[in-house]
Amino acid sequence: DAKTTQPPSMDCAEGRAANLPCNHSTISGNEYVYWYRQIHSQGPQYIIHGLKNNETNEMASLIITEDRKSSTLILPHATLRDTAVYYCIVRVPINEKLTFGTGTRLTIIP
Amino acid sequence: DSGVTQTPKHLITATGQRVTLRCSPRSGDLSVYWYQQSLDQGLQFLIQYYNGEERAKGNILERFSAQQFPDLHSELNLSSLELGDSALYFCASSAETGTEYGYTFGSGTRLTVV
Repeated sequence: DAKTTQPPSMDCAEGRAANLPCNHSTISGNEYVYWYRQIHSQGPQYIIHGLKNNETNEMASLIITEDRKSSTLILPHATLRDTAVYYCIVRVPINEKLTFGTGTRLTIIP
Repeated sequence: DSGVTQTPKHLITATGQRVTLRCSPRSGDLSVYWYQQSLDQGLQFLIQYYNGEERAKGNILERFSAQQFPDLHSELNLSSLELGDSALYFCASSAETGTEYGYTFGSGTRLTVV
């Protein structure tokens, strides 16, 4: 799996958009970008994934650059419940383990 | 409710003891993964089972073992427990195929060794 680089921590004001960056400059053509989050000691939760097109679901949007070397997870209207550690994972979508890095600790400020 | 059930939620035991953690995967998922998360540490992959057979091994100690039963539930056995084994233990399950949002995690078992 390709290595990813995320900032260790970020703050965002409640109600604003939270933009979490991820660098994955060694991504391969068949690797997808996945985002998970872990809210304080709970099990990680799937957020979104994409290959090369931008994706949106009810939780977030994923913007992948044209060269696929980086991506941004966007939480459009952050709430206090979005405070969590966010993990960007790059991998081929096969039935194997997820490898978690250190992620970004996002704190939503009231 | 994620669909992955882990029991017990909390476990306190003494050093040297043996415990068993249980995981029931989401309906239809054949793979089960076990992860360990120590205090302020990342999620460390331990082991994967697929349809009853071991598929992949990570940083799992020899004192730890796991199995997956015919009904697809899995158990993680931890023996000769040490203080350093205190951690959150998560189970996840996934379907066979998927460009997947198919990885679903349970709520974890918090193990405290005293």
